[in-house]
Amino acid sequence: EVQLLESGGGLVQPGGSLRLSCAASGFAFSIYSMTWVRQAPGKGLEWVSGISANGFSTYYADSVKGRFTISRDNSNNMLYLQMDSLRLEDTAVYYCAKEGLGSSGYFEDWGQGALVTVSS
Amino acid sequence: SYELTQPPSVSVSPGQTASISCSRDKLGHQYVSWYQQKAGQSPVLVIYRDSNRPSGIPERFSGSNSGNTATLTISGTQALDEADYYCQAWDSDTVVFGGGTKLTVL
Repeated sequence: EVQLLESGGGLVQPGGSLRLSCAASGFAFSIYSMTWVRQAPGKGLEWVSGISANGFSTYYADSVKGRFTISRDNSNNMLYLQMDSLRLEDTAVYYCAKEGLGSSGYFEDWGQGALVTVSS
Repeated sequence: SYELTQPPSVSVSPGQTASISCSRDKLGHQYVSWYQQKAGQSPVLVIYRDSNRPSGIPERFSGSNSGNTATLTISGTQALDEADYYCQAWDSDTVVFGGGTKLTVL
């Protein structure tokens, strides 16, 4: 059974930093592209960032480019999102998601989400 | 900027067919996926690559994509289908989600 478990969410002041982690299990993590998607309170889904299976290629939404960094550790089946220079509008539930095999363009499994609150 | 346009809400009676649209110029040239999100839960993939159902998704869910519009169709809608539905596509190296449609089963 595929499991994706996010952690690292919490309350942070504007301008601060936070690192989200996503522990993956139940599948061959190293051969799947992964992504982060967020959802602000009462709003829709917003794609944040993606990373290729080998970690060599990364992609970012314009809203987070230059502030967030996605990475992965295939030895330990972990996905990360380093979030710097956080803004009020980054407040959201952050989901990690597993892409279909072969950079398929769709997201077949999702975690339960981690809440990030940016507030002074 | 790349946008996918969905109606904010759709209502349907139990047992009837619900159709949710997702529009953009020349959308039929791209693959579209659909996600269901029930209140307080994580999204679930219900249709991928326009018309494919993942294992475990009921046959009443179907999808199509042609011209400028992709459509998610739920036949014989049940009360448990009440949820928010999002379409999704790719644009260059970025992912785009539609604004979401709240499906109400009256």
